[in-house]
Amino acid sequence: DVKVTQSSRYLVKRTGEKVFLECVQDMDHENMFWYRQDPGLGLRLIYFSYDVKMKEKGDIPEGYSVSREKKERFSLILESASTNQTSMYLCASSLPERSSYEQYFGPGTRLTVT
Amino acid sequence: AQSVTQLDSHVSVSEGTPVLLRCNYSSSYSPSLFWYVQHPNKGLQLLLKYTSAATLVKGINGFEAEFKKSETSFHLTKPSAHMSDAAEYFCVVSLNTGGFKTIFGAGTRLFVKA
Repeated sequence: DVKVTQSSRYLVKRTGEKVFLECVQDMDHENMFWYRQDPGLGLRLIYFSYDVKMKEKGDIPEGYSVSREKKERFSLILESASTNQTSMYLCASSLPERSSYEQYFGPGTRLTVT
Repeated sequence: AQSVTQLDSHVSVSEGTPVLLRCNYSSSYSPSLFWYVQHPNKGLQLLLKYTSAATLVKGINGFEAEFKKSETSFHLTKPSAHMSDAAEYFCVVSLNTGGFKTIFGAGTRLFVKA
């Protein structure tokens, strides 16, 4: 059974803290994604990676960075957390290149910044 | 420009009655189309996908969707709703535009009444 896991289900951080969200997949997928999900807005892509050490900005990269040192692991970093980054964060992975490949999602991390 | 519109933010049905969740898309390219379901506090799970083969696509849990190119629609249906179908549903378009792009609809929350 395919698996995407995220390091935390719930996280509470203070404004200005550096926050790390970790995602691991066991399917040997080349592509990995970070999304944020807010009510009424669907999912918005923050960053994606199509290979180790490779990354591309998504639609809303401001205030975030990512790291992919190993194929199975993709980290999202909030350099200095702010209250408007309170959200649900979803990680996903997929096979490469073809648009017909579906994405596999982790359970999500609900981040609250106070 | 590419876009996905889910025509209803909320749909309420009685258990045992049909379900219709509507999705329209706009794309200059031949898209792949997906429906995902998200149960509370869970990640997204693939229900079904269309990738230019049969226009009527069957998915898990009795759901199906029909791709209608002339209407640019990909509506999700189920003949008889079950309480366990209560969740949020996302219509997704995936394109190969020389780069890889996935666009999520804003979501439709399905309520099922006993």
